[in-house]
Amino acid sequence: GNSVTQMEGPVTLSEEAFLTINCTYTATGYPSLFWYVQYPGEGLQLLLKATKADDKGSNKGFEATYRKETTSFHLEKGSVQVSDSAVYFCALSDAVITGGGNKLTFGTGTQLKVEL
Amino acid sequence: ETGVTQTPRHLVMGMTNKKSLKCEQHLGHNAMYWYKQSAKKPLELMFVYSLEERVENNSVPSRFSPECPNSSHLFLHLHTLQPEDSALYLCASSQGPGQGLADTQYFGPGTRLTVL
Repeated sequence: GNSVTQMEGPVTLSEEAFLTINCTYTATGYPSLFWYVQYPGEGLQLLLKATKADDKGSNKGFEATYRKETTSFHLEKGSVQVSDSAVYFCALSDAVITGGGNKLTFGTGTQLKVEL
Repeated sequence: ETGVTQTPRHLVMGMTNKKSLKCEQHLGHNAMYWYKQSAKKPLELMFVYSLEERVENNSVPSRFSPECPNSSHLFLHLHTLQPEDSALYLCASSQGPGQGLADTQYFGPGTRLTVL
């Protein structure tokens, strides 16, 4: 079946450090790829997405490029802030539901801690 | 963001109680979802509604009963729950039919449920 693999956390960085959170996937066909962020006590917020190979999603300084040849969608940010501390989820949309909607396969999440 | 709202944010209930979770989306979407997020486990899709019809039911126990009276509202009725049902319950919405794999889900803040 389809799957999403994320690097184990927690990832601890100093403020202004460069961030990479690795995400690789296994899927048939051409899934859409997403990064969601979950702040403490909150739901998931869409961070960015890419719907086809070589697309780059970007938002709030975060970027990720859909690499079909390496089946990856790594999340990067050039300079993290304390406010970026959260859990980050990589997900792929790999199945359309008959009647409407789609199914997402999520990774297990990577906790990021940014310290002063 | 206030695109998808959920009430209550926190709920404590005994195993013999009956309660309901409410979700409302203000995005003009046609598909709505219920997910369960438990500690140390991937997000679990529970139910999907599209155009007010249930289109997905992921083998969820009958003590969870969804209701979608219109495309903006989604309920999850709870009765005779077990302690292992304690979790964060997340609602999401997406545009739905015709969007294919690029259909993007937007999540609410969740209801933290504790079953005593």
